[in-house]
Amino acid sequence: AQSVAQPEDQVNVAEGNPLTVKCTYSVSGNPYLFWYVQYPNRGLQFLLKYITGDNLVKGSYGFEAEFNKSQTSFHLKKPSALVSDSALYFCAVRDMAGGFKTIFGAGTRLFVKA
Amino acid sequence: GAVVSQHPSWVICKSGTSVKIECRSLDFQATTMFWYRQFPKQSLMLMATSNEGSKATYEQGVEKDKFLINHASLTLSTLTVTSAHPEDSSFYICSASGAGDQQETQYFGPGTRLLVL
Repeated sequence: AQSVAQPEDQVNVAEGNPLTVKCTYSVSGNPYLFWYVQYPNRGLQFLLKYITGDNLVKGSYGFEAEFNKSQTSFHLKKPSALVSDSALYFCAVRDMAGGFKTIFGAGTRLFVKA
Repeated sequence: GAVVSQHPSWVICKSGTSVKIECRSLDFQATTMFWYRQFPKQSLMLMATSNEGSKATYEQGVEKDKFLINHASLTLSTLTVTSAHPEDSSFYICSASGAGDQQETQYFGPGTRLLVL
């Protein structure tokens, strides 16, 4: 069975510092991995995805994520955090062979302090 | 591109009434649409997957007769909560995937908050 784990409920970082939001996954085949961000009372916004190719994926708003097959991780990163980055972040894995179902992690709340 | 809208954004209804939520893909054809439910401070729970012109596939534990899903066209899916009760109060989010290059990524609507009194 596919699963996604986000080990941190909350991440705190000072504005201007680098940030990392962790994600590990478990899939039977090749992983299709995604990061989404959710602002209060809003739907999810797509940030980036890994399907194949370069392990470092660049996405929206300066975010990037590194796919590490040996560690089954897909951590979200940003070199310099902004207060406006404060939100709820979801890692997800999609089963393209099983009805395109997407499994979401529990979410990590990011707080960026000014 | 890849914009998904939901209507209404907020709905308050009396217990026992039915509520319809619309999900539209505005600039692409959504071959597959998904309906999720999100409780406060929790992740998204997939309720059902629908393909245009086909019956929806419901996840285990989701009542088909209570949560009616229709995906009649490539740009519109509806979720009807029938005979709503207070425990149905939640944040409902739809998402859509297209064909070809758009198949891999799900694009989400802004969500509909339902409050049943």
